[in-house]
Amino acid sequence: GAGVSQSPSNKVTEKGKDVELRCDPISGHTALYWYRQSLGQGLEFLIYFQGNSAPDKSGLPSDRFSAERTGGSVSTLTIQRTQQEDSAVYLCASSLSYSNQPQHFGDGTRLSIL
Amino acid sequence: KQEVTQIPAALSVPEGENLVLNCSFTDSAIYNLQWFRQDPGKGLTSLLLIQSSQREQTSGRLNASLDKSSGRSTLYIAASQPGDSATYLCAVRLRNTNAGKSTFGDGTTLTVKP
Repeated sequence: GAGVSQSPSNKVTEKGKDVELRCDPISGHTALYWYRQSLGQGLEFLIYFQGNSAPDKSGLPSDRFSAERTGGSVSTLTIQRTQQEDSAVYLCASSLSYSNQPQHFGDGTRLSIL
Repeated sequence: KQEVTQIPAALSVPEGENLVLNCSFTDSAIYNLQWFRQDPGKGLTSLLLIQSSQREQTSGRLNASLDKSSGRSTLYIAASQPGDSATYLCAVRLRNTNAGKSTFGDGTTLTVKP
């Protein structure tokens, strides 16, 4: 079956621009997670959705970062006024529910800020 | 704050060898621990998930163990093959009703030489 799909796979933009990253979870997965992976920082948790609500936003690094999920499916991560330190691979994962179910990851969006 | 450490950072073995990857964590109040592999330029592939009440999980040539009291998990790979070459990551999820956060180690990069 189809896995987690992320788009775009690569994004290059100028400093100060806004970007939107999209994640299509596995069908039927109610839990959705965003992570960021950058050199020297490892993999960092950003935000978690259960359905359309986000009970854990503790990893968002600043108020320039926001995310939403509609219809309990697709999620978008928005970064406003991008900075060079936002350059990273943004990974999305989904799982059947919050309970003890494995997370399945997409291939990520590689974001480069010039 | 949960900290996850993986040792060694890199490992090179000849094909056919059995090997063990280590993961240690500082907070034993975990919900589950998950092992992943990551191939270059790709997302994470789930290998095994161990719930906090379990001691080990097996899938094919892989066996993962969990010792909460000592804050350790191991991933055992039997009869290694060149296709096993990848970075292996462990991720720990704390026991918290609304916490979606998983804390990742920095990974062990495995090279299996033909």
